[in-house]
Amino acid sequence: KQEVTQIPAALSVPEGENLVLNCSFTDSAIYNLQWFRQDPGKGLTSLLLIQSSQREQTSGRLNASLDKSSGRSTLYIAASQPGDSATYLCAVRPVRGANSKLTFGKGITLSVRP
Amino acid sequence: NAGVTQTPKFQVLKTGQSMTLQCAQDMNHEYMSWYRQDPGMGLRLIHYSVGAGITDQGEVPNGYNVSRSTTEDFPLRLLSAAPSQTSVYFCASRFTGAMNTEAFFGQGTRLTVV
Repeated sequence: KQEVTQIPAALSVPEGENLVLNCSFTDSAIYNLQWFRQDPGKGLTSLLLIQSSQREQTSGRLNASLDKSSGRSTLYIAASQPGDSATYLCAVRPVRGANSKLTFGKGITLSVRP
Repeated sequence: NAGVTQTPKFQVLKTGQSMTLQCAQDMNHEYMSWYRQDPGMGLRLIHYSVGAGITDQGEVPNGYNVSRSTTEDFPLRLLSAAPSQTSVYFCASRFTGAMNTEAFFGQGTRLTVV
């Protein structure tokens, strides 16, 4: 059974710091991996989707990498801002197919201090 | 861009009452799903559908029913609400093809059963 782990559960950093959020998964046979952001009391907003054949994806100050062989993905946030404060979740899709299901980590709650 | 729309946003039920949580998407996605999010438990899949007329159980289906009569709508029914169903419920959708399988989430329904 696929398990997705995000450690630490919470992180507090000063504004301007470059930071890395980690996501690890136990089964490397994944089809893709998706990073989400969740603000308090809100839904999940998709940040980046990485296909299994890709090594990284970039969107603005965000860069996500994928290393299937080691079962790891990282989300790099450059020059963090207080507006980046949120919970960040990663999710893996195990196989290609219409009914393949996402497995989520429990998220990392990020606080960026002004 | 409406995306995935959930109604209501908040609901309080008495034990034993029934209700339907509504979910609609305007992206012509084949795959739709319902999750519940609880503190310390992460997101857990309740039911999902890969197209109109097709539904299947997820990880925690007991106490919930679904149907999919159209591509756009995927309602979740609680037949007899229990306090254990107090949670935040999210609906999600995506394409089922080989590419472009990014998942999109609604803003959630916060349900309290007293």
